[in-house]
Amino acid sequence: GQNIDQPTEMTATEGAIVQINCTYQTSGFNGLFWYQQHAGEAPTFLSYNVLDGLEEKGRFSSFLSRSKGYSYLLLKELQMKDSASYLCAVRDLGAGSYQLTFGKGTKLSVIP
Amino acid sequence: DGGITQSPKYLFRKEGQNVTLSCEQNLNHDAMYWYRQDPGQGLRLIYYSQIVNDFQKGDIAEGYSVSREKKESFPLTVTSAQKNPTAFYLCATYREPGQGPQANYGYTFGSGTRLTVV
Repeated sequence: GQNIDQPTEMTATEGAIVQINCTYQTSGFNGLFWYQQHAGEAPTFLSYNVLDGLEEKGRFSSFLSRSKGYSYLLLKELQMKDSASYLCAVRDLGAGSYQLTFGKGTKLSVIP
Repeated sequence: DGGITQSPKYLFRKEGQNVTLSCEQNLNHDAMYWYRQDPGQGLRLIYYSQIVNDFQKGDIAEGYSVSREKKESFPLTVTSAQKNPTAFYLCATYREPGQGPQANYGYTFGSGTRLTVV
């Protein structure tokens, strides 16, 4: 099985930078995804990491360290619309099929 | 545009009633999944299907059933055996990273069905 941990809630100020951490334990790691989910809506894809290092995409960046079982999502120049839940999900190859297991999500509140 | 359509958006179920949630996709993806989301619980896997006419139980399959007769369709039935069905249900397809543009890597989700027991 897998264990994925991320903070439950975070608050940050508009225009600032925030880092959302995710730690995981898995036996057959095959990639890590970050999703954004606004209240009452479906999750939408933000980033994918399978190799160690930083992936940058506009205001959002995601980092992975496989040896440490650790990832973070970095949001720069925060905007009010970034208030949402951010889900860390780990893809695991086990029992002959791929599974994606989600953390419980981090609810980010951006304040003026 | 390609995508996933879930219907209905809101559904009310009486005690002891079976209800079926629809999920249709035109993305031509082989794998389809059903997740349930409760407040503070994250997404939990109910059933998944890697290919037509085959499906597997996820972590919380009890009280649910599915079918996969067509590639495009993966309906979920919430039976009367599911004791706590009130939740947000999400259907998704999966695309392998590396196949085309990075957008929509991993799971693509439908807009969800909110089921409430009345």
